Amino acid sequence: EVQLVESGGGLVQPGRSLRLSCAASGFTFDECDMHWVRQAPGKGLEWVSGISWNSGNIGYADSVKGRFTISRDNAKNSLYLQMNSLRPEDTAFYYCAVVGATEGSAFDIWGQGTMVTVSS
Amino acid sequence: EIVMTQSPATLSVSPGERATLSCRASRTVSSNLAWYQQKPGQAPSLLIYGASTRPTGIPARFDGSGSGTEFTLTISSLQSGDFAVYYCQQYNNWPLTFGGGTKVEIK
Repeated sequence: EVQLVESGGGLVQPGRSLRLSCAASGFTFDECDMHWVRQAPGKGLEWVSGISWNSGNIGYADSVKGRFTISRDNAKNSLYLQMNSLRPEDTAFYYCAVVGATEGSAFDIWGQGTMVTVSS
Repeated sequence: EIVMTQSPATLSVSPGERATLSCRASRTVSSNLAWYQQKPGQAPSLLIYGASTRPTGIPARFDGSGSGTEFTLTISSLQSGDFAVYYCQQYNNWPLTFGGGTKVEIK
């Protein structure tokens, strides 16, 4: 079964750090680009960051640039998001998503999400 | 950044009727456009990629069309499980961007 499972969310104070993880299974992880997408409560989807299969191409939304770092470990079939200097506006469900795990050129598989709450 | 604008924000449709959702890009995204469906409490799921291609398992009543800057998702004969929020996304340029969503609700 093709699956993505996020972990690492929780309640954190403003200015602190958190590291999210996404464990992949059921597809050839090291051939696929990976992304993080977030959704604030009651709001729409916001792309956060993406990384190509070989980590050669990395991008960030302006809202997180300089504070978040995406990385991957192909040997462990895992994707990460290091989030520093967290702000209340970073509060959201964070989803990892894969491009073309089964077919196509878009986010064909999503994880169930992990909630990050930034509050004092 | 390419801005994606979806309309309408909310669409009230009776079961069995057709729904037409629109998505406009601020500049061309070629055919690098996807549609996602999101039901309450669930992650989004892919409906259409490449503007008009349905992934395996997606019913034929979901039809995507368009290219460049204007795109449409048509859902023919709405079923109960189709009432949800729909998002378009361009993946032609980074940063990738989503539209604000269209909520399809029961009339």
